[in-house]
Amino acid sequence: DTGVSQDPRHKITKRGQNVTFRCDPISEHNRLYWYRQTLGQGPEFLTYFQNEAQLEKSRLLSDRFSAERPKGSFSTLEIQRTEQGDSAMYLCASSTRSAASGNTIYFGEGSWLTVV
Amino acid sequence: QKEVEQDPGPLSVPEGAIVSLNCTYSNSAFQYFMWYRQYSRKGPELLMYTYSSGNKEDGRFTAQVDKSSKYISLFIRDSQPSDSATYLCAMTSAQGGSEKLVFGKGTKLTVNP
Repeated sequence: DTGVSQDPRHKITKRGQNVTFRCDPISEHNRLYWYRQTLGQGPEFLTYFQNEAQLEKSRLLSDRFSAERPKGSFSTLEIQRTEQGDSAMYLCASSTRSAASGNTIYFGEGSWLTVV
Repeated sequence: QKEVEQDPGPLSVPEGAIVSLNCTYSNSAFQYFMWYRQYSRKGPELLMYTYSSGNKEDGRFTAQVDKSSKYISLFIRDSQPSDSATYLCAMTSAQGGSEKLVFGKGTKLTVNP
């Protein structure tokens, strides 16, 4: 199965530490998305890449968050100086066509972050 | 007021029942409407997509959009235990080329055998 792969699947970290999540999209998918989902809520959009260009960022993405997609393939999401409010599932998705027009975007299984 | 409102349930029905799931929205710029299904500890998967007001059917699923009332629905006929999941509505305006999907909270559905 060559779906969207996310690593690590689970991360427990102490408040104030930095964490990095990696996403490997489906091969040849040039569009990549990051979302955050907390318990009992729907996913919230964080950022969007087309190839290596970061074209859209949510205001939710504070200065402590940074995302990269250096060669237009895998992407990383780094959270610096983690806070308890950062505890959530971080979802990556990829597609070949615009999500905004109802085309299928494929989500990974998410990376769970717990900040203690 | 949140842009998208969805009753989180939980909703519990017997196998074979017709299920109705709903969302309301406040942003009249939303043009594209989607329903996603999310199983426990998995990522969401796209079920249905609609653009215009009216109904769209796909097997046991029917998506309905009423733009004048800012109201969308998903109906599941002959519900099965395998339909037990959280159902998320999502919508987007695509204004300015935005790729942002705005999701509801999700409704947790359990179909009992």
